[in-house]
Amino acid sequence: GAGVSQSPRYKVTKRGQDVALRCDPISGHVSLYWYRQALGQGPEFLTYFNYEAQQDKSGLPNDRFSAERPEGSISTLTIQRTEQRDSAMYRCASSPGAGWPGELFFGEGSRLTVL
Amino acid sequence: AQSVTQPDIHITVSEGASLELRCNYSYGATPYLFWYVQSPGQGLQLLLKYFSGDTLVQGIKGFEAEFKRSQSSFNLRKPSVHWSDAAEYFCAVGENTGNQFYFGTGTSLTVIP
Repeated sequence: GAGVSQSPRYKVTKRGQDVALRCDPISGHVSLYWYRQALGQGPEFLTYFNYEAQQDKSGLPNDRFSAERPEGSISTLTIQRTEQRDSAMYRCASSPGAGWPGELFFGEGSRLTVL
Repeated sequence: AQSVTQPDIHITVSEGASLELRCNYSYGATPYLFWYVQSPGQGLQLLLKYFSGDTLVQGIKGFEAEFKRSQSSFNLRKPSVHWSDAAEYFCAVGENTGNQFYFGTGTSLTVIP
């Protein structure tokens, strides 16, 4: 696609429910990143992929968070048993190559609210 | 550990005035440096980037930034601010060993007529 597309744009869920956030990167982009952004803060790294391989998941807060990119294109970030502290903007970004120097192209984000 | 500091949480400038947003980084090697802008309801858009070479880099929308190694800084400047520049600005440093990007906490810019 022309840009990075994320869905849903807004998600309201009840505590304890699972949520799945989707990211469709720019066509042909090798790397895909997930970030979380709390209100008034900068984006915080969660995880990233080169093609279908998850290269670094050190930023995932705990084992309730997982991500996959099975065919090296679309990625899903899943949060199980959501908690109120998971409420944030979740941002996806893609980058053309796997090496440096890189540049991130961001989607508009998915705003998650956990009640 | 790598870190990015944006000391100014919020800045207000008059339209037509000059602007400088501060960014300091902590990184052992030569950093890759970026400035992104986030308008309300929008994703982050790249303004400019520094990888190597000329330490004064030009970006979109009339912005420029200067890399000063001795001060570990990468401040963003614009000679004359427009009302449409009101947004949140984020400085970021790229780590070339782990392909990670680290963002500052952002500076919110308000432009008054």
